[in-house]
Amino acid sequence: DTGVSQDPRHKITKRGQNVTFRCDPISEHNRLYWYRQTLGQGPEFLTYFQNEAQLEKSRLLSDRFSAERPKGSFSTLEIQRTEQGDSAMYLCASSPGTSNTGELFFGEGSRLTVL
Amino acid sequence: DAKTTQPPSMDCAEGRAANLPCNHSTISGNEYVYWYRQIHSQGPQYIIHGLKNNETNEMASLIITEDRKSSTLILPHATLRDTAVYYCIVRPIGTDKLIFGTGTRLQVFP
Repeated sequence: DTGVSQDPRHKITKRGQNVTFRCDPISEHNRLYWYRQTLGQGPEFLTYFQNEAQLEKSRLLSDRFSAERPKGSFSTLEIQRTEQGDSAMYLCASSPGTSNTGELFFGEGSRLTVL
Repeated sequence: DAKTTQPPSMDCAEGRAANLPCNHSTISGNEYVYWYRQIHSQGPQYIIHGLKNNETNEMASLIITEDRKSSTLILPHATLRDTAVYYCIVRPIGTDKLIFGTGTRLQVFP
């Protein structure tokens, strides 16, 4: 499968614990995005990278959230001291940045449940 | 904030055309109209996009009004597998970031 891969697909944790999600974009896609989606809502933009540089962060990304893309390939999204309000689907997307369509390719998401 | 308005839900009979409307009355000249859909428990999937002209691909057709303040996504022969949430998104030229609204939940019935 050459699509965007996310791991784990599901994570259940207790309030106060730290969690980390990983995203492997499509090979050679230099742009990578993180979104969060809660039940009944559309995805909300969190942050995006061009290669290893984090170019934009949403106000939704509190200081408990950190995202990295150290080598410009895979990315991690860490949530520290999780709260019940962090329960959501975390979606990753990638794009080549030079596509004629401007299409973002999404993974299937990592669902987080905070108890 | 999302710059589009869509009906929250629609129904369509299998085999019939599904016409999904979207209002984007504040769209500016350098903004594209994009459509994505999200099937339950999957990530969003690109369908089609346009700037001024109508567009067609293997999945759908996009009709944009002359004043560009609204558009319609047409699925010409809806199938049960087209049941999904459809998002209409306005995106400025030169950016990749998508701002999603709440979309239209399309239910295709037999």
